[in-house]
This record gives sequence, C-alpha cells and structure tokens, in this order.
Amino acid sequence: GAGVSQSPSNKVTEKGKDVELRCDPISGHTALYWYRQSLGQGLEFLIYFQGNSAPDKSGLPSDRFSAERTGGSVSTLTIQRTQQEDSAVYLCASSPQGTDTQYFGPGTRLTVL
Amino acid sequence: AQKITQTQPGMFVQEKEAVTLDCTYDTSDQSYGLFWYKQPSSGEMIFLIYQGSYDEQNATEGRYSLNFQKARKSTNLVISASQLGDSAMYFCAMTLTGTASKLTFGTGTRLQVTL
Repeated sequence: GAGVSQSPSNKVTEKGKDVELRCDPISGHTALYWYRQSLGQGLEFLIYFQGNSAPDKSGLPSDRFSAERTGGSVSTLTIQRTQQEDSAVYLCASSPQGTDTQYFGPGTRLTVL
Repeated sequence: AQKITQTQPGMFVQEKEAVTLDCTYDTSDQSYGLFWYKQPSSGEMIFLIYQGSYDEQNATEGRYSLNFQKARKSTNLVISASQLGDSAMYFCAMTLTGTASKLTFGTGTRLQVTL
C-alpha cells in the first residue's frame, strides 16, 4: 500500500514568510508525528497527534510553529515568519493503533534564505 | 527522560562481511521499545527492526538482528552479509510503550560498505 507522503519535497522561502508543510499518513494510521532533522540538532520531535487532537506539543520550538490535523488524516505544519534557523528537513511519521512502530515519509527540505 | 547514545560516527565494512553498530540507552521506565532506522542518501527513514523491553528473544529481520542486553542497556544492530546498498546512516531510537509517544533518536552511525 501507499506509504506516508509529504509535500512539497523541497521548499525555498525568504526570511519572514510563512510556509505550510503537508503530511498524508498511511491510511488508517491513528497516530501522526512531526520531527525535524538538522545538522546541528539531529532528529528532534515536534508534535504528536492522536486522531485530530495533539496530546504532545512539547517539541514545538516557538509559537511561530503550529500544526493541525483534520479528519484523522492529513496534517499541516505551519511555520510563521520563518527564520534561517528553521532550515531543516521536516519529517512526518504515522503509526497504527496498537503498535509503537512509526513509518516515515520522505520529508520536506525547507531552506530559509 | 530517555537518552540514546551512538558512539560510532562512522563505520566501514567490506561487502559480505558482518558489522555491528552500537547503541546504548538510558531510561528509568520499565516498558519501552527500541528501534533501528536506516536513512540512505535519499533521506527517507526506513524502519528496520524493533525490540520490546520485555522480549526475551533477540529480534531478527532477515539480515538484521539485535544483540539486546537489557542489564547493560544496550541494543546493538548486527547486519550480516553486508551489501553495497547497506551504505547509509543508521539511527537507534526508543519510545515508551503503550503511550504512542515520541521517538528519541541517537546521533546516528554512517556505515560505508566497500568492495
């Protein structure tokens, strides 16, 4: 079946602009996660959704970052007023109910100029 | 809080040989899961193998196996009969079980398979 998909695959933006990153989880997966991977910080957790609610937002680095999930499926990560330090690969993962294994998408590479 | 330590930034192995990638973890919780992911140059994180903290047998998946030593808090990945396509970054990760919680990752080991 289809895996986790993310769009766009690459995004170049100017400092101060807002960006939206999209994640389509594997069909039927109830849990959805966002991570960020950068050279200096490694892989960092951002936020976790169970259904449409977000029980854990502890990894969001600032209030410029927000995320939502609708219909228990697609999720959007929004970064407002982007800064150069936001440049990273943003990875989305999903997992089915009853398992802890997370399956990752190909990521969105964000470059803030 | 959980912590994962991978002390080998880079490893080389000859094709067809076996290689062990080290991983130690730290947690005060009794119920947790340990994972290994492969990240080739394309960037996608590929799930390889899972070990639960209460599993008595070492996990195996094809050419991948884990040397799980709970008392030492280590879960080393063994790749047998290395192939050129195994060249990639390998990440060890853990989560607390049953809570659908986040993965905590190590810094990774870059494996290079040579002819």
